[in-house]
Order: sequence, then structure tokens, then C-alpha cells
Amino acid sequence: SAVISQKPSRDICQRGTSLTIQCQVDSQVTMMFWYRQQPGQSLTLIATANQGSEATYESGFVIDKFPISRPNLTFSTLTVSNMSPEDSSIYLCSATRWGEGAEAFFGQGTRLTVV
Amino acid sequence: QKEVEQDPGPLSVPEGAIVSLNCTYSNSAFQYFMWYRQYSRKGPELLMYTYSSGNKEDGRFTAQVDKSSKYISLFIRDSQPSDSATYLCAMKYGGSQGNLIFGKGTKLSVKP
Repeated sequence: SAVISQKPSRDICQRGTSLTIQCQVDSQVTMMFWYRQQPGQSLTLIATANQGSEATYESGFVIDKFPISRPNLTFSTLTVSNMSPEDSSIYLCSATRWGEGAEAFFGQGTRLTVV
Repeated sequence: QKEVEQDPGPLSVPEGAIVSLNCTYSNSAFQYFMWYRQYSRKGPELLMYTYSSGNKEDGRFTAQVDKSSKYISLFIRDSQPSDSATYLCAMKYGGSQGNLIFGKGTKLSVKP
């Protein structure tokens, strides 16, 4: 298994500001993902964080709003930009090692409230 | 129709009961099936992981996959108050290195 640490665990932010969430894995992983979990909803994939190249975004999510970095095999950041109350959610980092059937592990999540 | 359907509950049972949690899905390309447990204010924790059809047992937990019916189940025997959590089913396409498709999760409460 892999241990994934996210920072911050929670934050309350003013609308119009930006927040960067950090994700650190305790060992090298191949794939890293960012999900959003809204109340009563499924976990929704925002993007796949690619090491050394631009992230791959899912439909409905754009780089200007959710810029992502992945400078190495164990670290990634997600920024939520120009926040509005609709961005209030839990943001989760996930990682897998190489292999089609590789298990996915999750961080504890970042609970964001935008006021 | 959503790709993965899961009854959100909530489900409340007495301690010691057998719990049955279920998901249905629409895409036959799914090959990997998972159950995650998520405690309040925590990230999802992998509980059971099954490839293709069949059963898998781990202690009090049994996962079943019926690909012909596009239906997966998680059974919890002798349920405990510590099992109170949200249970999320998740699936992945065969040949995919990528992301999981999740159900909405079922909130379970086991009363002492």
C-alpha cells in the first residue's frame, strides 16, 4: 500500500481567492489523480496529474480553474483558483502504481469551504 | 443512466446483523471492482478488490461480482458499530491504467 498525505486538511477561504492543496506519497507511484467529492454525490475525477507534463482534465474541468503540478513521482498540487461558494467540497488525491489492476489509494482529503 | 448506481441509504441495522450493500452498472467493459469504506472526515480506504466475476472473502467481508447481471455486492457478517461508515463501490475498465468510476456511496449505521 501507499500512504498519502494531503495538506491542508481543511480551510475556509474568501471568494475570489485561490488555494493550493498538496499531496505527498510515501513511495514512488505511477499515476496520481485529483477527485472532488460533493455532498450526496459520487467522487468525480477532476484530472490525472502527469509527471513532467500537463495534466489531463476531465470534461467540465479546465486548467485555468484547477491548475495541477506534478514535479516528481511522489508529489502533486492542485490549485482551486478564483474560488466561489460552488467550489466548496472535499478534494481528494489518489495514487496507483504501475499495472492495469493496480489498487488506488487515497489521501484523507481537503475540506474546502468558500465564503 | 449513470454508469454506476448505488442506493445512498441511509441504512441502519442492529449490531450483529448481516449487511448487504449493492451496486449496478451499465458498461460491460468494467473488469475491476472495488469497495471502499469512508469514515466521516476521512479519505476512502480500500476494503475489497475483485477482478472479473466471482466471490472474494476477507474476514467478515465478502464481495461478489455478477458480470452477467452487471451487479456487485458487499456482505458484512456480524456487523459492528465500528463498521458504521459510508461504503463506496468503484469500478475500472479493463486495459485501463486510469481512474475509477464511483457509486454515490451508501451510509451505514450499526446500532449497538
